[in-house]
Amino acid sequence: KNQVEQSPQSLIILEGKNCTLQCNYTVSPFSNLRWYKQDTGRGPVSLTIMTFSENTKSNGRYTATLDADTKQSSLHITASQLSDSASYICVVSAYSGAGSYQLTFGKGTKLSVIP
Amino acid sequence: SAVISQKPSRDICQRGTSLTIQCQVDSQVTMMFWYRQQPGQSLTLIATANQGSEATYESGFVIDKFPISRPNLTFSTLTVSNMSPEDSSIYLCSVKDSGNQPQHFGDGTRLSIL
Repeated sequence: KNQVEQSPQSLIILEGKNCTLQCNYTVSPFSNLRWYKQDTGRGPVSLTIMTFSENTKSNGRYTATLDADTKQSSLHITASQLSDSASYICVVSAYSGAGSYQLTFGKGTKLSVIP
Repeated sequence: SAVISQKPSRDICQRGTSLTIQCQVDSQVTMMFWYRQQPGQSLTLIATANQGSEATYESGFVIDKFPISRPNLTFSTLTVSNMSPEDSSIYLCSVKDSGNQPQHFGDGTRLSIL
């Protein structure tokens, strides 16, 4: 069964500090991995997408890493801002045949950035 | 990326009633989906809305409870029928163009059943 596990479940950090969120997955056959940011009251918004051959991808202060061998990904947030307070969801795509892809969602990490 | 509008954004309903949620996209999209997001849980796919034909439902979801329409490539509705408190959740519309393209999400409908 395809699964995506995220840790920690929640995290509180001071504004300006860095943090790293973790994602472990057992999804096969792997196609890609995405990190989404979901602000309170809003829908998820894609931050990064990584394929099997990519091990690092950045989007501003967000840097995602992927280790396809250990099936782990991380999202590093640098110099956090109050606006980074949100849930961060790891989503792994698996090819299910006939041009179709199945997404498996993690439960998310709820990040709170405090002044 | 596509702009997705969902209506209503939230509602409080009585048990036993039904509510229809609308999803409007500003451009034609190949694929439309409906998800449920319960507190502390991951997003769960309810069904894929197919244009001009019956939706494809995931295990645990049935058409009688969650009838879906998709009359064209920019619009879909999800009805939550005969609601009970267990249906209290966020319902999200999502779209993508094809295959392995990124999915985009609406802001969701927050539904509370009393």
